[in-house]
Order: sequence, then C-alpha cells, then structure tokens
Amino acid sequence: ETGVTQTPRHLVMGMTNKKSLKCEQHLGHNAMYWYKQSAKKPLELMFVYSLEERVENNSVPSRFSPECPNSSHLFLHLHTLQPEDSALYLCASSQERGIGYGYTFGSGTRLTVV
Amino acid sequence: DAKTTQPPSMDCAEGRAANLPCNHSTISGNEYVYWYRQIHSQGPQYIIHGLKNNETNEMASLIITEDRKSSTLILPHATLRDTAVYYCIVRVASFGNEKLTFGTGTRLTIIP
Repeated sequence: ETGVTQTPRHLVMGMTNKKSLKCEQHLGHNAMYWYKQSAKKPLELMFVYSLEERVENNSVPSRFSPECPNSSHLFLHLHTLQPEDSALYLCASSQERGIGYGYTFGSGTRLTVV
Repeated sequence: DAKTTQPPSMDCAEGRAANLPCNHSTISGNEYVYWYRQIHSQGPQYIIHGLKNNETNEMASLIITEDRKSSTLILPHATLRDTAVYYCIVRVASFGNEKLTFGTGTRLTIIP
C-alpha cells in the first residue's frame, strides 16, 4: 500500500458504457495526476491537477473526463471508449512547490474495452 | 526537461550489485536526477534522487559524475524482487513544475 489507492483494480467495459475510475490519497499532497500505460509503451501523462485546478491536459480525447473535487480525490470518467483505450491507468500524487520525494503512484486500474 | 538515454535491458546475478547507467548530457544546472522503478503491472515506485552529490538510502545509491552528464543507480545486493523496469528522469524541481516524463527505461532481470 503506497498511500495512493485506486479502484477498481480491474475493469471490463463495453464501448457504449459509462464508468469512472477513482483515486484517493491521504498523504497531504496537493497535486494529482492521471497516466496511461499501454502495452509496450512508456507512461503517458494525461492530466495534471494542482490545488484542485486542472493545469494540464495532454491532448486527451474528450471521452476521458477528469474530476478533482478536493485535494484527496481524483476521478477519471469514461464514456464511449474504444478498444485501443485498453491500458493500465495510473494515478499519482505529489507535494507541489517542493523538491520532496517525487511522485507516489497507486497500483493502477487495468481497463479492458470490449 | 532534459532527455535521458538508458540501455533497454540488463541482467544481473542475484546477490551481486546491479549498476544501471543513465546518460543525460544536456542536463541543466537546476535539474535533478530521479530514479523510479516499475515492477510488472504495478505503479512506478520512487527510489532516489540527487542534484550533484552522491546519494544513498535504504534502497540504492546514486552516483552522479562530476560534470553531471551521466549517473549510475546501484542496487548493492540484488534480489529477485528487484526485477523491474528502471526509469532515469531529469527534471527541474521548482514551483509549479512537478511534471514527470517517463522514457522507456531499462528492464533489469535478476538471474537466480
């Protein structure tokens, strides 16, 4: 357990479904991130939230919609996904405005789109 | 952030020291070197970071050359649980710039 909890661990969804991924941290961090890791590819940064404001959106399709209601929780809402969206989705948090120890990652949600 | 170059894969015998190199020849004076590792299908795990002095913690040692153009992560007594992909990342650690960009890393396999 790293202090960043992601649920569910595994998710299978159809292309017409709507689902949400949840991330929760109780480390007192004030920045949170979503990464995508497809098979055999490096981690890709999707979204960055700092102090609950979205500060970066790396050209992610609109079928992915993030939400950060407070500094401890981050969601990724999914709708009308494609099979190529199947991947490991990782959440991370950090204490911004300091060198600190970098990011703390969750264990990820393995998403399969059928 | 500066780019890094790592070998795609390495093997190391169990119990021996694993030395993972990283080249970062375009590193700037205010960029830190960070190392993370990712065990299969888990989230990356922070290992160590440094600016210009060598660093050691309970997991590993980080040796940074005097010109800071390369570094080596040392796992002193590798175990099978150290089999993972190791990422070397350089970035500025300053206000509002906490973005981490991962490359392809080095896949380290510990051989029994």
